[in-house]
Amino acid sequence: DTGVSQDPRHKITKRGQNVTFRCDPISEHNRLYWYRQTLGQGPEFLTYFQNEAQLEKSRLLSDRFSAERPKGSFSTLEIQRTEQGDSAMYLCASSLAGAGRSYEQYFGPGTRLTVT
Amino acid sequence: LAKTTQPISMDSYEGQEVNITCSHNNIATNDYITWYQQFPSQGPRFIIQGYKTKVTNEVASLFIPADRKSSTLSLPRVSLSDTAVYYCLVGGAAGNKLTFGGGTRVLVKP
Repeated sequence: DTGVSQDPRHKITKRGQNVTFRCDPISEHNRLYWYRQTLGQGPEFLTYFQNEAQLEKSRLLSDRFSAERPKGSFSTLEIQRTEQGDSAMYLCASSLAGAGRSYEQYFGPGTRLTVT
Repeated sequence: LAKTTQPISMDSYEGQEVNITCSHNNIATNDYITWYQQFPSQGPRFIIQGYKTKVTNEVASLFIPADRKSSTLSLPRVSLSDTAVYYCLVGGAAGNKLTFGGGTRVLVKP
């Protein structure tokens, strides 16, 4: 299967701990996105990369959040000093660039974070 | 980004056709219309995208009238496994992030 993969699938952590998630996009996709989804809501955009450059960050992405995409391949999302409000599903997606194409995004299965 | 309005929920029965209409009155000239499907505890899945008139693929059809202020996703002969949340999104020309609304929860009954 050559789809988007995310690791881990589930993460339980205590408040105040740091966590890091990994996303491996579809290999030929140059764009990579992070979203967050809470129960009953649609996904919310966090940030996106084109190759290794981080081009946009949402206001939702506080200074406790950092994302990287070294070498334009996989990406990591780190949350420092986790809070209970960070509990959510973190989704990664990838796409090609270009008009219309960037809206055809392929999502991974997500990482469900629970902060206790 | 253009705001979309779609029904909160719809019920249907196996074998029926399901049509979900999405309103997007302030759609921009360069915007595309894209639909996603999401099952519980999974990431959204791209279903179909169109700009005008009609688009059909192996999963669904997308009908877009000439004024493009609305669109209708048509799911032919649904099965129980089509029970999911369906999101209508508009944009894609200038923006890159997907802006999801609340979606339409479709329940297919036996």
